[in-house]
Amino acid sequence: QSALTQPASVSGSPGQSITISCTGTSSDVGGYKYVSWYQQHPGKAPKLMIYDVSSRPSGVSDRFSGSKSGSTASLTISGLQAEDEADYYCSSYTSINTRVFGGGTKVTVL
Amino acid sequence: QVQLVQSGTEVKKPGASVKVSCKASGYTFGTYGISWVRQAPGQGLEWVGWINPYNGNTNSAQKLQGRVTMSTDTSTATAYMEMRSLTPDDTAMYYCARDQAGGWAFDIWGQGTMVTVSS
Repeated sequence: QSALTQPASVSGSPGQSITISCTGTSSDVGGYKYVSWYQQHPGKAPKLMIYDVSSRPSGVSDRFSGSKSGSTASLTISGLQAEDEADYYCSSYTSINTRVFGGGTKVTVL
Repeated sequence: QVQLVQSGTEVKKPGASVKVSCKASGYTFGTYGISWVRQAPGQGLEWVGWINPYNGNTNSAQKLQGRVTMSTDTSTATAYMEMRSLTPDDTAMYYCARDQAGGWAFDIWGQGTMVTVSS
């Protein structure tokens, strides 16, 4: 199972919106509604930010939103803040009952 | 509160085995799956495998099948991940994570266990 494809880095100024893409295949992202996104700060465990493509867990800011079109999912961060600077990973359920992650995207707040 | 607490740092020689534990608290252990995820230094996340504590069903990443075994002890609400025939490429932070109810996201994470494989 190949890793999902994410851009290595994305940057934006405070207050701006950025979007991170996550491209898979019909055997993972394109075939299921089970795409999730994780935020990871240096030296910390990942934190769930979005599940089932577009749902937010309790406590996660509504500045984070998710969507999917075909085999590409996206995470959008609106009103970018300094605390959003972190690594972001997408994940999907797969047709062989496994999970797969993207390679990760480093978000920099300029 | 709901939490997963993992065992401490491990240092192993190539060819050895390691067993990492993950103790759950604050919820009904058998109701949620437990996945294992690893992260090599400076690298991304990699899914290792999954176990259903209720019935013991497991699955693992194809590249690790045959070398990794996941188990649970429901009496102590503890999950285990054992990896055999370790190589330096297995050096990583190993996380356990709870599967979200009714879904496939990882909603609660352990603090991580660093496993170093070096001669």
